[in-house]
Amino acid sequence: QKEVEQDPGPLSVPEGAIVSLNCTYSNSAFQYFMWYRQYSRKGPELLMYTYSSGNKEDGRFTAQVDKSSKYISLFIRDSQPSDSATYLCAMSARPGNTPLVFGKGTRLSVIA
Amino acid sequence: DAGVIQSPRHEVTEMGQEVTLRCKPISGHNSLFWYRQTMMRGLELLIYFNNNVPIDDSGMPEDRFSAKMPNASFSTLKIQPSEPRDSAVYFCASSFFLLDSRSEKLFFGSGTQLSVL
Repeated sequence: QKEVEQDPGPLSVPEGAIVSLNCTYSNSAFQYFMWYRQYSRKGPELLMYTYSSGNKEDGRFTAQVDKSSKYISLFIRDSQPSDSATYLCAMSARPGNTPLVFGKGTRLSVIA
Repeated sequence: DAGVIQSPRHEVTEMGQEVTLRCKPISGHNSLFWYRQTMMRGLELLIYFNNNVPIDDSGMPEDRFSAKMPNASFSTLKIQPSEPRDSAVYFCASSFFLLDSRSEKLFFGSGTQLSVL
């Protein structure tokens, strides 16, 4: 079993839809959870950062962490064509810049 | 700030040739990471440096790969000899590390697309 599992998609939704992206993980030591967004031919950029369990909201984006189930989610409300990208979850066990473990990414297309 | 700068953007070479990828991190950052991305394996950490010192190179696939960071503003990843299975996008990322920081904000470059024929 890989440390981080993420459905690669692709996922195609109409503009305005609510998008749900998910990752599961096996290492119970993970405490720091991130979502990165990667546009085509670009490097990943940090979208959301969460410590331990709970929710975090930033505009149209909500990140959820359920450590008991080892499951994290990213919700995108009122999705826009500009949200079309690959979304990678990432996590680590220790604070600071210790190596992140990335999921393979889910490719999302929002159709106008 | 120009962000993390990588060169070249694209590299096409023949099997057996030496390949050198370059990275200029964001000024003031003290940690630098080299990642490789493929469809099959996703984003994999190859090596990372803190204050120019290699901390963990366990992700370097084999002795054909080597990385250096001679100063805070420059790093190279070298593959010698290159093989077709090395074809991938190679990313450099940098960040500022504080011991008690909970920040994991990595800044990635735009990557080098390497094709080994």
